[in-house]
Amino acid sequence: GNSVTQMEGPVTLSEEAFLTINCTYTATGYPSLFWYVQYPGEGLQLLLKATKADDKGSNKGFEATYRKETTSFHLEKGSVQVSDSAVYFCALSDETSGSRLTFGEGTQLTVNP
Amino acid sequence: GAGVSQTPSNKVTEKGKYVELRCDPISGHTALYWYRQSLGQGPEFLIYFQGTGAADDSGLPNDRFFAVRPEGSVSTLKIQRTERGDSAVYLCASSFLAGNWDTQYFGPGTRLTVL
Repeated sequence: GNSVTQMEGPVTLSEEAFLTINCTYTATGYPSLFWYVQYPGEGLQLLLKATKADDKGSNKGFEATYRKETTSFHLEKGSVQVSDSAVYFCALSDETSGSRLTFGEGTQLTVNP
Repeated sequence: GAGVSQTPSNKVTEKGKYVELRCDPISGHTALYWYRQSLGQGPEFLIYFQGTGAADDSGLPNDRFFAVRPEGSVSTLKIQRTERGDSAVYLCASSFLAGNWDTQYFGPGTRLTVL
């Protein structure tokens, strides 16, 4: 079956630090990969996505590259802000699982001024 | 409305009671999904509708859980004989189509507490 593994959290950084949140996956078919973000008191929002190998998704300064050879989709940002404090979820869907999303456990990020 | 809405935002009930959770998807979205999120975990899939029919209900944990979408828009998740282990945030999402590349847009969730 499909699964997503995220780096253990929580992660605490100072403002302007570099961020990496690791995500690896196991999928039966050819998955699409997603990063969702959950800000305090808000619902899940799509941050970025990539639908095929070597695609790079990007949004709000965040980037992630779909690496089929390492089955990874690591999230990166060059300079984090306090407003980036949130929980980040890596997820996948593929044609063998219909349209369901399989999520990782989430990584809590706290950015201090 | 502009986004997916869910009501109620919070529901507290007693063990053994029946509850209904409502989801109003984005207008025009044909696919609707229910997920359950326990504390400190990622969301887990429950059921997915394409139009009025349940295309995949393999995530429903047991026969106490049931969901409907009679007119292809609003959906209701129904839980009978609630148990303390049902306590979680129930999330609804919708997407325009149902391909695995389609973006799912999530509602704010209903926090269910079973005492």
